[in-house]
Amino acid sequence: EAGVVQSPRYKIIEKKQPVAFWCNPISGHNTLYWYRQNLGQGPELLIRYENEEAVDDSQLPKDRFSAERLKGVDSTLKIQPAELGDSAVYLCASSALNGAVRSYEQYFGPGTRLTVT
Amino acid sequence: GNSVTQMKGPVTLSEEAFLTINCTYTATGYPSLFWYVQYPGEGLQLLLKATKADDKGSNKGFEATYRKETTSFHLEKGSVQVSDSAVYFCALTVNNYGQNFVFGPGTRLSVLP
Repeated sequence: EAGVVQSPRYKIIEKKQPVAFWCNPISGHNTLYWYRQNLGQGPELLIRYENEEAVDDSQLPKDRFSAERLKGVDSTLKIQPAELGDSAVYLCASSALNGAVRSYEQYFGPGTRLTVT
Repeated sequence: GNSVTQMKGPVTLSEEAFLTINCTYTATGYPSLFWYVQYPGEGLQLLLKATKADDKGSNKGFEATYRKETTSFHLEKGSVQVSDSAVYFCALTVNNYGQNFVFGPGTRLSVLP
């Protein structure tokens, strides 16, 4: 089974430029997450999708960040314009309800390391 | 709110030493608890989990027991290997219909030969 796929793996841009990240979750996983991981810290949720619906985007800086998951499968996260403080690793994860077990295992992609200069 | 606190690293051990990484949590509701591991250059991988009090999660020689009375989920391994060098994240989720995870800051482990 293929894992969560993200591209690109690395991106270097100048501030004020736009950037986009792409994620393809594990087949059949209806829930998709975007996280930001700053250096030396744990991941912080930006947005969570259930199928094509964004059910939690409370931590997404909406003035410059946007995301979409049009067909409920792959997703794109965009930053426009990028700022120096956006330098981080952007992680995508997916999960599926595991029957009666009350736990939601998340499967992470390798991330996109963004450097804004 | 929900939060996770981990011991600050880095933790440096010699091969075959005993490992403990402390994790405590605060949560509204009844959380499920997880340990994730991140190897250099890779994404996070689920290491083990526990969904109710007194459950013990285990995998690859690592263990953690869900202690509701002390709100803790400490990670242990009896004999670490160089290949265990990674960053370890404690996490929780409190869901009925939500699935939002809260991660700790991570603890970097370095195992020396």
